[in-house]
Amino acid sequence: DVKVTQSSRYLVKRTGEKVFLECVQDMDHENMFWYRQDPGLGLRLIYFSYDVKMKEKGDIPEGYSVSREKKERFSLILESASTNQTSMYLCASSVSGSFSYEQYFGPGTRLTVT
Amino acid sequence: QKEVEQNSGPLSVPEGAIASLNCTYSDRGSQSFFWYRQYSGKSPELIMFIYSNGDKEDGRFTAQLNKASQYVSLLIRDSQPSDSATYLCAVSRDDKIIFGKGTRLHILP
Repeated sequence: DVKVTQSSRYLVKRTGEKVFLECVQDMDHENMFWYRQDPGLGLRLIYFSYDVKMKEKGDIPEGYSVSREKKERFSLILESASTNQTSMYLCASSVSGSFSYEQYFGPGTRLTVT
Repeated sequence: QKEVEQNSGPLSVPEGAIASLNCTYSDRGSQSFFWYRQYSGKSPELIMFIYSNGDKEDGRFTAQLNKASQYVSLLIRDSQPSDSATYLCAVSRDDKIIFGKGTRLHILP
């Protein structure tokens, strides 16, 4: 079974703090993704990576950055957290190639920025 | 036109009946189609994926794809209370994936 884990289930941070969200997958997947999910807006892609040290912007990259130093680990960084970044953050992974393959999600991190 | 459209629901179905969830998409270049189940407060869980026209069955679940009409559906037979969740449809091609906003399904005991 594919296993995707995320470092925290719940996180509370203050405005202006730097926030790190970590994601690890154990299935040797090439592709990794970061989404946020908000009521009424659905899942929105922030960044994705198709290889170590590679990253591509998704639909809403502003205010975020990512890091992929190892194949199994993909980190999302909020450089200076703002209240509008309060959301559920979901990491996913899939086999290599493209978006055409099924993605497996981690349990999610519910981030609150106060 | 929304790229991936689902009725938000809630869709109420009696226990033991067939639940039918529908999804339409606008991009004719779409190649892969996925159904995810998401319980409240949890992350999406992959249920089915389908690439070719026709039906694909897995246990109580059947995915149906009609590329000419640009819709994909999910049938759940013998619905159980544990099937109560939000079901997300996702449509992808090589360079992008689009998720629908989901349909809330409520199985009535």
